[in-house]
Amino acid sequence: GAVVSQHPSWVICKSGTSVKIECRSLDFQATTMFWYRQFPKQSLMLMATSNEGSKATYEQGVEKDKFLINHASLTLSTLTVTSAHPEDSSFYICSARDLAGVYYEQYFGPGTRLTVT
Amino acid sequence: GQQVMQIPQYQHVQEGEDFTTYCNSSTTLSNIQWYKQRPGGHPVFLIQLVKSGEVKKQKRLTFQFGEAKKNSSLHITATQTTDVGTYFCAGPRGNQGGKLIFGQGTELSVKP
Repeated sequence: GAVVSQHPSWVICKSGTSVKIECRSLDFQATTMFWYRQFPKQSLMLMATSNEGSKATYEQGVEKDKFLINHASLTLSTLTVTSAHPEDSSFYICSARDLAGVYYEQYFGPGTRLTVT
Repeated sequence: GQQVMQIPQYQHVQEGEDFTTYCNSSTTLSNIQWYKQRPGGHPVFLIQLVKSGEVKKQKRLTFQFGEAKKNSSLHITATQTTDVGTYFCAGPRGNQGGKLIFGQGTELSVKP
């Protein structure tokens, strides 16, 4: 089945530093990947859509200069949280669509738990 | 805007009891998907329903898509402790290139 990996699984950083999170589709090509944020006991909030070879599209209210997304290949998308602050602490999850799928099912990475101190 | 509502938010059951979560969309959906997220884990795709009135079963799980394609349900028969987690429904967000809109999720806890 479709497998998505994410690295790192958890990270602790100091306020003001930047953190890069990688999302890889391991056994399929993903022209589109999605980045979500999830707070405890809450649903998934879509942050942005990452498109291979083009600029990411961001959801309303998400600062594109703060959450930099790069989708350099068909199997890799990265999310960089720049100048992180404690309020950016959250669970970040990426997902990818397997284009071989008939509809829109998404396969999620294991997530990255970010803690900003 | 488009909304997907899910109830209940929490459900605590005794092992062996049945469990149902309901999902309602403000718009007609071309398909609906269900995901399960274990505590501390990530969402895992369970199933998708496409046809009006469709019913699909996966062992003790029964998924249903309403006739109007605006609501769906997930029923678990004789819950087990392995069923613990949060169940999310999700539908396509408008015609926005594969984006999904998720319900708030139903957190299921099972007491042995």
